[in-house]
Amino acid sequence: QQQVKQSPQSLIVQKGGISIINCAYENTAFDYFPWYQQFPGKGPALLIAIRPDVSEKKEGRFTISFNKSAKQFSLHIMDSQPGDSATYFCAAGYNNNDMRFGAGTRLTVKP
Amino acid sequence: DTGVSQDPRHKITKRGQNVTFRCDPISEHNRLYWYRQTLGQGPEFLTYFQNEAQLEKSRLLSDRFSAERPKGSFSTLEIQRTEQGDSAMYLCASSPGLAGGSFTDTQYFGPGTRLTVL
Repeated sequence: QQQVKQSPQSLIVQKGGISIINCAYENTAFDYFPWYQQFPGKGPALLIAIRPDVSEKKEGRFTISFNKSAKQFSLHIMDSQPGDSATYFCAAGYNNNDMRFGAGTRLTVKP
Repeated sequence: DTGVSQDPRHKITKRGQNVTFRCDPISEHNRLYWYRQTLGQGPEFLTYFQNEAQLEKSRLLSDRFSAERPKGSFSTLEIQRTEQGDSAMYLCASSPGLAGGSFTDTQYFGPGTRLTVL
């Protein structure tokens, strides 16, 4: 079922540091790559998303870098804050409906 | 509209009982999805509706699972003869649906229903 591999499983970053989470996919039919943030007991919330015709997208402190030839994409969180502590999921979607998720990265930002 | 809502938020049941969950999508969203999420894993796709039509079902959706979206608005997911392995968070998501488009569009998730089967 898992067609998207995410790493690392967990990440600890100091406040103000950069958090980097990586994902790799196999299916070249994927045409949509979102990142979701999930807090305990809540549903995933869309953070930022990118399509394969763009190599980078930035929204505030969050940046997606996309490498189509390597079939990899990553999330960079600049100036990480304790409130960013959550689980982050990458996903890849195709065929206008099917979405496959990574296993998640548990981020802890230490004050 | 404040987003996707799900009811109940928590459900505890005994093995062998039937349970039903409800999802209310964002109004005017054509597409509705059901996912299952187990602890420490990402959501896994179960099924998807375009308006009232159920267009795709995952292999994860055994015969004990059934989903409906009778009027193209809210949806229900029923699990019959629950098993302990059904314990998970059941997530619903909706998306606008890109009219005539071929690209995947953004899915917005609800808070989920956490099912515990004893």
